[in-house]
Amino acid sequence: DSGVTQTPKHLITATGQRVTLRCSPRSGDLSVYWYQQSLDQGLQFLIQYYNGEERAKGNILERFSAQQFPDLHSELNLSSLELGDSALYFCASSMGGWANEKLFFGSGTQLSVL
Amino acid sequence: GIQVEQSPPDLILQEGANSTLRCNFSDSVNNLQWFHQNPWGQLINLFYIPSGTKQNGRLSATTVATERYSLLYISSSQTTDSGVYFCAVVAGETSGSRLTFGEGTQLTVNP
Repeated sequence: DSGVTQTPKHLITATGQRVTLRCSPRSGDLSVYWYQQSLDQGLQFLIQYYNGEERAKGNILERFSAQQFPDLHSELNLSSLELGDSALYFCASSMGGWANEKLFFGSGTQLSVL
Repeated sequence: GIQVEQSPPDLILQEGANSTLRCNFSDSVNNLQWFHQNPWGQLINLFYIPSGTKQNGRLSATTVATERYSLLYISSSQTTDSGVYFCAVVAGETSGSRLTFGEGTQLTVNP
């Protein structure tokens, strides 16, 4: 168990809908990351937060948004969903968000858009 | 951005065999991690190894940062070792800890 908690584990929804994925980092970790794993794109970095502030942005679509709350949990919001958004979404956390830190990954949320 | 190449893409072994997985990266790195993604999709940390050698049971890893590669050794493989092995790096010039993943090595260990 990595200590990073993601909910829900599975999510099935329809095109055009909006969903929210939730992540609780390991105790003591201030930085949260979101990654998307799809068959055609592999594991892609989406966005990083540190102590409530956006730290780095990767290949995140404009239809997607995220935030980190004062209690350090994070939410990834996906809207106007398309079939191609079906993927495994991972959250990871690290202590300070620096380049030389080990990242710990949650178990992921499997999103299926029908 | 930094490129991460893993080889081989697929590997099939008999239980008890040894294997070596390779990760090449195109630029200097601050961070290199090896992960195992099990058949249930979980990403499990194996090693944090930006340089040097580490061992953990039947697994060991070596990173030669100056030559931009890392190796993961699996000895006496077991069926539970099956899954995808990923190498991931943070490029030297990157702020923060955004990992760039390779495409992985799919390992199948047959009984």
